[in-house]
Formats: sequence, structure tokens, C-alpha cells
Amino acid sequence: DTGVSQDPRHKITKRGQNVTFRCDPISEHNRLYWYRQTLGQGPEFLTYFQNEAQLEKSRLLSDRFSAERPKGSFSTLEIQRTEQGDSAMYLCASSWGTGDGQFFGPGTRLTVL
Amino acid sequence: TQLLEQSPQFLSIQEGENLTVYCNSSSVFSSLQWYRQEPGEGPVLLVTVVTGGEVKKLKRLTFQFGDARKDSSLHITAAQTGDTGLYLCFCNQGGKLIFGQGTELSVKP
Repeated sequence: DTGVSQDPRHKITKRGQNVTFRCDPISEHNRLYWYRQTLGQGPEFLTYFQNEAQLEKSRLLSDRFSAERPKGSFSTLEIQRTEQGDSAMYLCASSWGTGDGQFFGPGTRLTVL
Repeated sequence: TQLLEQSPQFLSIQEGENLTVYCNSSSVFSSLQWYRQEPGEGPVLLVTVVTGGEVKKLKRLTFQFGDARKDSSLHITAAQTGDTGLYLCFCNQGGKLIFGQGTELSVKP
């Protein structure tokens, strides 16, 4: 297994456009997490899935953000009507259980112009 | 209010020096994890501490969990340039997944 992968690695978009990011977790892991990280800060939790069920959503996840994990494998994070404040690194992680360590992907760096 | 407070926020030292970084909270943790993140990459898990007073060693890194399970420290002995990175503590507090703001460590040759 090659670990958690994310696509694309970088995305530049204009304000108001929609963007979608993909995350492929480690195949045996049933939990998948999305975080957002800005420069000089630790990652901020956005949402997580157990299998295909979305169990928790942060207040940071406004109605412009939506995440799916349709078959309990890969996940997508969509941001609609992007704003400059959405510029950040979006990290995906997976784990087997709650107490287990999370394995992170390399992230998708979003720049909104 | 930051649930996990890390200090110092920045640390710049010479190769060979020792250092300690801290992660503190007013809440009790069931467990706490330390991660290290390099620029442009995701965090990588270093250790999980569970028991109050627990000490874990990973080569030159020593992790300690406070007796009251409200704080933790990471001590690096004889730092190397390869230790440079962002050190993050993390906890799952009643379903809230929280990272500290990190300690940015720079080890100069």
C-alpha cells in the first residue's frame, strides 16, 4: 500500500469558482478525516467519516463545503463559491480506529485569487 | 480558546543542543499524540501516550505524559538538522479532534 494520496497537490482558482479535492485513504482504514491548515498553525478539523457515514462536522465547515465518501473508500471535499479566506492546505488522513494514529496524505494546497 | 497550548511557538538552535517543547491544557486527556510535519507534507505520527506519568523513548526523542494527564513534553537530545520541522500535539477530546498550534523547530548546522 502506498499510503494516503490526495489529488491535486496544488490548485489555483479564482474567487467564486467551485473546486473539488480527492483523497484515497489506506485501504484497510475505515476512518477518514479532513483538516484545513494555514501557515504557521496546526491543522483544524473539518469532518470525518466512518466507512461511508459522515459522523462529525466542524463549525468551520460552512454550507459552501461538502464532503462525501460514497462507497466507504475514497472521499471528495467540494468548496463552492470559493473565497480568498479558503486559501489553505487541505489535509486528508485515515485510521483504523479512533485511538489509532492518523496517516496523513501530502495535502492539497488551494490558492484563491 | 485553544484547548492545546504548545510552547515555544518557534525554536532555533544549533546542531548538538538539547531542547524541550511542551503541550498543555486545562482538560484531562484520555490519550495524546505527537506528530512531526515537514514543509509541504502531512504530519507523521511519532508516538501515542496513554498513561499518566508515562515516558516513551524514540531514539533521541523522549516523550512524557504528565501525571494528571493534562500536559505532555517532547525532549530531543543532541538535535540534528534532520529534526527540523513542525512538532504538533493532538488529542481526541470527546469526539473533538484537536491539534495544538505547533512548535516550529529549526536546527542549524
